[in-house]
Amino acid sequence: GAGVSQTPSNKVTEKGKYVELRCDPISGHTALYWYRQSLGQGPEFLIYFQGTGAADDSGLPNDRFFAVRPEGSVSTLKIQRTERGDSAVYLCASSPDGFSNTGELFFGEGSRLTVL
Amino acid sequence: AQSVTQLGSHVSVSEGALVLLRCNYSSSVPPYLFWYVQYPNQGLQLLLKYTTGATLVKGINGFEAEFKKSETSFHLTKPSAHMSDAAEYFCAVRGSGGYQKVTFGTGTKLQVIP
Repeated sequence: GAGVSQTPSNKVTEKGKYVELRCDPISGHTALYWYRQSLGQGPEFLIYFQGTGAADDSGLPNDRFFAVRPEGSVSTLKIQRTERGDSAVYLCASSPDGFSNTGELFFGEGSRLTVL
Repeated sequence: AQSVTQLGSHVSVSEGALVLLRCNYSSSVPPYLFWYVQYPNQGLQLLLKYTTGATLVKGINGFEAEFKKSETSFHLTKPSAHMSDAAEYFCAVRGSGGYQKVTFGTGTKLQVIP
């Protein structure tokens, strides 16, 4: 597609459940980023992929959060044993390259996660 | 490490008035600086960026920002606000050189009053 696509756009789940959020980046973009945006806050970095590998996962808050990008395109953010504090909008962004890129990120519209 | 501080979570201006959104940064290396805009129900999009060279940068929709190293600032301005400028604006910073993650501020919501 022309832009970054994220699914689902909205997800409501119960505390303790497992959730997967999907990101389809712009075709040809090798760098993919996940951010989390809580209410009233700016986007908070979670993880960066260059190709298939997680080059920087320093923003993942704990081991309940995990992300994969097995073929270097689509990425899935996985959250185990969800907690109410995980409620936020999860943003995905891509860029042509993570190393030479001067910082322009192309964002999707986000997946809003609500944990009841 | 890099960080940005945006002063004022909400700013209201009258239509036709000057828009000034403030951003100060902290960076241990020469920074790249950005302003992103988020319209309601849309993803963030790049408004403008400073990397190197000219310190006054122009972006889309008549916005511009000036990199002032002595003041560690990168304030966003527009001479005359339009109703369509109502949105949330995020300042962001990235260190220069190789891979560096982009760190965002907390955002400023701009309201334009007719």
